[in-house]
Amino acid sequence: QSALTQPASVSGSPGQSITISCTGTRRDVGGYNVVSWYQQHPGKAPKVIIHEDTKRPSGVSSRFSGSKSGNTASLTISGLQAEDEADYHCCSYGGPDTHWVFGGGTKLTVL
Amino acid sequence: QVQLVESGGGVVQPGGSLRLSCAASGFTFSDFAMHWVRQAPGKGLEWVAFVHVDGHTKFYRDSVQGRFTITRDNSDNTLYLQMNSLRPEDTAVYYCAQESMSSRPFDSWGQGTLVTVSS
Repeated sequence: QSALTQPASVSGSPGQSITISCTGTRRDVGGYNVVSWYQQHPGKAPKVIIHEDTKRPSGVSSRFSGSKSGNTASLTISGLQAEDEADYHCCSYGGPDTHWVFGGGTKLTVL
Repeated sequence: QVQLVESGGGVVQPGGSLRLSCAASGFTFSDFAMHWVRQAPGKGLEWVAFVHVDGHTKFYRDSVQGRFTITRDNSDNTLYLQMNSLRPEDTAVYYCAQESMSSRPFDSWGQGTLVTVSS
């Protein structure tokens, strides 16, 4: 049950846009349309911000968007704000043997 | 609104056992599948176990298969994780999560409970 690959850290200045990648294989990210993304502030529980590759739950800012190409999913945050500083985790279904697999998480720093 | 409250964490010696609970409210518990997800200190999230609404269909990650058991009590709106033969690498914050549909596995989360396996 290998983890999906995310960069350990990304950074950006307020107002800028950043993109976090999440690379898997055709057995997980590329095989199913169920990549989800979670935002986690220090000491807090994760919160879903993208589900089913590109869908945003009600109440989540439109500044968050998801996309996918082949075996790589991406989370883009536009118009960076200080409160976006957090850890971001991707997740995908990995089939009936692996079930659900997460990435290692990416720490976003807003400069 | 959905509320999930975990309890039962603590410090346990290697080889010991612990039972975690997750009290659910704000939704019809018996209508939703549930998961346990853990996070080791300073690490990423890791899916642990799943239980279907019927309480019979269950899945586990390989590293806990045979040691952990997920159960649910739909009459009491509570999810459980029985953890036996605990290892230091099981040290983590354990979260319960509600699956709103099969394509949305972790839609709501509890605040987590810390399990520390150490001698």
